[in-house]
Amino acid sequence: KQEVTQIPAALSVPEGENLVLNCSFTDSAIYNLQWFRQDPGKGLTSLLLIQSSQREQTSGRLNASLDKSSGRSTLYIAASQPGDSATYLCAVNSGGGADGLTFGKGTHLIIQP
Amino acid sequence: GAVVSQHPSWVICKSGTSVKIECRSLDFQATTMFWYRQFPKQSLMLMATSNEGSKATYEQGVEKDKFLINHASLTLSTLTVTSAHPEDSSFYICSGGSRLDEQYFGPGTRLTVT
Repeated sequence: KQEVTQIPAALSVPEGENLVLNCSFTDSAIYNLQWFRQDPGKGLTSLLLIQSSQREQTSGRLNASLDKSSGRSTLYIAASQPGDSATYLCAVNSGGGADGLTFGKGTHLIIQP
Repeated sequence: GAVVSQHPSWVICKSGTSVKIECRSLDFQATTMFWYRQFPKQSLMLMATSNEGSKATYEQGVEKDKFLINHASLTLSTLTVTSAHPEDSSFYICSGGSRLDEQYFGPGTRLTVT
């Protein structure tokens, strides 16, 4: 059974810093991996999707990498802003379109102004 | 990106009653829709997978007679919580799959059972 772990559970940094969020998964036979953002009491916003054949994806100040063989993904946030404060979730799709996602517990990120 | 809506966004019901939550894909057709549940300070847990025109597949530990799922069309799936109890209070989120198997999530429904 796939298990997803995210480290750290919480992180507080000053505005402007670059930071890295970590995600690891136990079964490397994945279809794709998604990073989401969740604001308090809200739904999920998809940030980046990495297919199993890809090594990384970039969107603006966000860069996500995937090392399938070692079961790891990282989300890099450059020049952090207070508006980046949220919970970031990593989710793994192990079976393609017919399978649901397995989520980590998330990293609660606070960017101090 | 693709848009998924949920209705209602929040609902309060009394113990023993039933409540229906709708999930709609607004600008794409979702052959498969998923229902997740999130308890406070916990991550999302998959409850069931819903395929248009067929019975839903439930995850281990999820009572199929309590959480009724209907996927009547390619744009609508419903989750009915029957005989709700306070322990069913949670945040319920649906998602629909699009091209490249990226999942798009609805805004969620906060259910409180009193």
